[in-house]
This record gives sequence, structure tokens and C-alpha cells, in this order.
Amino acid sequence: KAGVTQTPRYLIKTRGQQVTLSCSPISGHRSVSWYQQTPGQGLQFLFEYFSETQRNKGNFPGRFSGRQFSNSRSEMNVSTLELGDSALYLCASSSSGLQRYTFGSGTRLTVV
Amino acid sequence: ILNVEQSPQSLHVQEGDSTNFTCSFPSSNFYALHWYRWETAKSPEALFVMTLNGDEKKKGRISATLNTKEGYSYLYIKGSQPEDSATYLCAFRGSNYKLTFGKGTLLTVNP
Repeated sequence: KAGVTQTPRYLIKTRGQQVTLSCSPISGHRSVSWYQQTPGQGLQFLFEYFSETQRNKGNFPGRFSGRQFSNSRSEMNVSTLELGDSALYLCASSSSGLQRYTFGSGTRLTVV
Repeated sequence: ILNVEQSPQSLHVQEGDSTNFTCSFPSSNFYALHWYRWETAKSPEALFVMTLNGDEKKKGRISATLNTKEGYSYLYIKGSQPEDSATYLCAFRGSNYKLTFGKGTLLTVNP
């Protein structure tokens, strides 16, 4: 079956702009989680959505937001981009959020 | 702030060596402990999900143990091969269901 699809793969944005990243989970998976990875840091948890509801949220500023649609696809939005937002953003899906995650290939965001 | 610590940070071994690394996590509010392998230019791949104290899991040459009372898990690789070179991540899931990752152990296996 198809894996977790993230689009776009690469993105270059200017400070102050906003960006939307997309994640399509494995068919049947209802939980989608988002993580940020920067050099020297582990995977930092952003948020988790389950059945269109945000179930958990990490310690990121309000500029980071997300949503999940009825087909379980999820989007993540970052407004007023800062240089420090440059990172690899990974999404992961699982059937209920309690089983193992399947990760997408990530979106590499560069803010200049 | 929940701490998930992995050690060592990096490790170089020779092909054929056996190796192990550690993941430390809170011993309270435990729900599950995950292990993932992350190869360069690929996505993290699930190895094990462990939920019971004393649990042992095995997948080929890789195995893991879990001690929830003292808050640690070991990952073992027997007879390391160059293709085992990757970052190995553990992640703690507490009763709030949030999955918190450690920073990983970078394993390099020299042929």
C-alpha cells in the first residue's frame, strides 16, 4: 500500500512569509503527527491529530498550526517565518496513534 | 519537560562486532517505548514497539529489552554489518499518548 506522502519535498521561503505543508497518511490511518528536526536536535514534537481533532501539542509558538481533514490528510502552517524555522519537517501516521508510526520523507524548509 | 536520553551519542564499530546502546526515559506514566532506525536520505523506520516491563523483541540480528520500573531500554545489534549504519532513535509514549523522541545514537559500521 502507498506510504505516507509529504509535499512539497523542498521549499525555500523568505522571512515573514507563511508556508503550508501537506501530509497524506497511509490509507486507514487516522492519526497524523508532525515533527521538526534541526541540526543537533532530535525530533521535536509539533502536534498530533486524530479524527480531525488536535489530540496533543508540543512547545512551539502559535505561529505553528495544523489541521486534519475528514480524509485524514493533514496540513501544517507556519506564519511569519523566521530563519530558525529552517528545518526538516516530518509527518508520521498510525492507525490510532498508539501503534508504530510510519514516517513520510519529509519537507525540507529553508527560510532566507 | 519530559527527558528521553540516548547514549552514546555516536558509535563506530567494525563489521562483525556486536554493539548495544541505551535509552533512558521516565519510569512513571509509561505507556510504550518505540525504537526506530533512520538511515541517511530515508525516513525513520519502525523497529519495535514495547509495552510490558521485561519485554524482549527481536528482528533478525537486532533485539531490544525493556525495563519500565527503572526507565531504560537497550538495543542490541549482533554481528554488525555496514548496512546497519544509521541513527537509532527511541521514543517514549506516556499516558498522555504524546510520543517524545530521544536525540538518537549514530552508529557507523566500518567494513
